[in-house]
Amino acid sequence: EVQLVESGGGLVQPGGSLRLSCAASGFTLSNYWMHWVRQAPGRGLVWVSRISSDGITAYADSVRGRFTISRDNAENTLYLQMNSLGAEDTAVYYCVRAEGGPNWFDPWGQGTLVTVSS
Amino acid sequence: IVMTQSPDSLAVSLGERATINCKSSQSVLSSSNNKNYLAWYQQKPGQPPKLLIYWASTRESGVPDRFSGSGSGTDFSLTIGSLQAEDVAVYYCQQYYSTPYTFGQGTKLEIK
Repeated sequence: EVQLVESGGGLVQPGGSLRLSCAASGFTLSNYWMHWVRQAPGRGLVWVSRISSDGITAYADSVRGRFTISRDNAENTLYLQMNSLGAEDTAVYYCVRAEGGPNWFDPWGQGTLVTVSS
Repeated sequence: IVMTQSPDSLAVSLGERATINCKSSQSVLSSSNNKNYLAWYQQKPGQPPKLLIYWASTRESGVPDRFSGSGSGTDFSLTIGSLQAEDVAVYYCQQYYSTPYTFGQGTKLEIK
């Protein structure tokens, strides 16, 4: 069964850092394009970042230079390193697989909540 | 690419048809493969989004056939043929034609 399990969320002060993890099972993560999508409380879905199967990364303008997406092939785990966090980064962060390249998002993890507050 | 859904909310009686529209600010139709890079997702409270439709009109495996997608280029629709109680959710369209992969603002579907 294909499964994505996020972890690492929590409460962090403004200006702080956090690293999210997404453990993949049932498939080889490095063979797929993987994404992070976030959803602020009561708001819509916003794409954050992507890493392609050949390791090319892309970021939303709002996080470029602050967030870094990476993966550990041996651990079959996706990461999102988040630095210089602000209140606007408060959201549930979802780890998502893209089917067969630059395609639709499926499946989605359950998400991990990041709260930036003093 | 900006994705704009209409309406923002919709109330439909059980058994009736519900239609949600999605418009992209530029075409998401690829000339290389003649496919529309457009997906629809359903999100119920407290749950992650679930894929319903991809390539604008291809139903994901296991999705009831009352869900259908249509459209091409910049104008798309998601139709629920006969609304069931379990269809109450927020629905999002998304383009995966180019980064950033943008979503519509969501349409909240309720029972009238």
